[in-house]
Amino acid sequence: DGGITQSPKYLFRKEGQNVTLSCEQNLNHDAMYWYRQDPGQGLRLIYYSQIVNDFQKGDIAEGYSVSREKKESFPLTVTSAQKNPTAFYLCASSQTMNYGYTFGSGTRLTVV
Amino acid sequence: AQSVAQPEDQVNVAEGNPLTVKCTYSVSGNPYLFWYVQYPNRGLQFLLKYITGDNLVKGSYGFEAEFNKSQTSFHLKKPSALVSDSALYFCAVKRLGNEKLTFGTGTRLTIIP
Repeated sequence: DGGITQSPKYLFRKEGQNVTLSCEQNLNHDAMYWYRQDPGQGLRLIYYSQIVNDFQKGDIAEGYSVSREKKESFPLTVTSAQKNPTAFYLCASSQTMNYGYTFGSGTRLTVV
Repeated sequence: AQSVAQPEDQVNVAEGNPLTVKCTYSVSGNPYLFWYVQYPNRGLQFLLKYITGDNLVKGSYGFEAEFNKSQTSFHLKKPSALVSDSALYFCAVKRLGNEKLTFGTGTRLTIIP
C-alpha cells in the first residue's frame, strides 16, 4: 500500500542532543512537509520541499533542519537550539497544488 | 496571507443528531478548502475538499461541507452523528498557486451516546 511512514513513533531526547525524525513516502509525491502540533495551536509549518535538493522555511523553522536528497525521503533534525521541542511532529506529502496532503502517523518527541 | 478560524474548541452532540463544525477562512484569490480528521496519536485523515464547482461537497464517512463565498465559510456537517465520529477536526485553506496549506486550531467533536 502506498503511504507515508514516520519513525520512530515515540522519541525521547535529552537536553542538548540533536535528534532526527524519519519520513519516507512511496506515493511518488513531489512535495513534502513537516508540521508541529501542540495542544490548542493546531498545526504549524516547520519546513517544506517541492523538489529534490530544495526546501524552504515555514513559519517556525528556528531550531530545526531538513534535507531532501531523495524524492522519497524528508528527514527532520531537531537541534539543541530548539528550546521547546516536546511536541507531536507530522510529516505530509502532496502530488500537485490542487490536492490536499497525505499525512504520516506522527512522531511524539519528548525531552527528558 | 491566508488564515483559518475554527471558533469552537469543543462541540458536543447527541448521537443521532445532526452535527456542524464551523470554519471561516481568509485568503486572497480563489480558495482551496479542506477538512481533515485526527484520532488520538494518529496523523490527519482527509475528509473532503472544495476546489471549484458545486458549493456542497460530499466526503468520507457521510460528511459534507458547504462553501459559502459571501460568508467566507466552509462548515462541516453530518445529518446523523455516530459515537465513532468523536475526534479532532481541522479545517485548512490555501489559495490557488500556493503550495502551503494553513490549518485552523482544530475542533474537538464529542458524540454523546
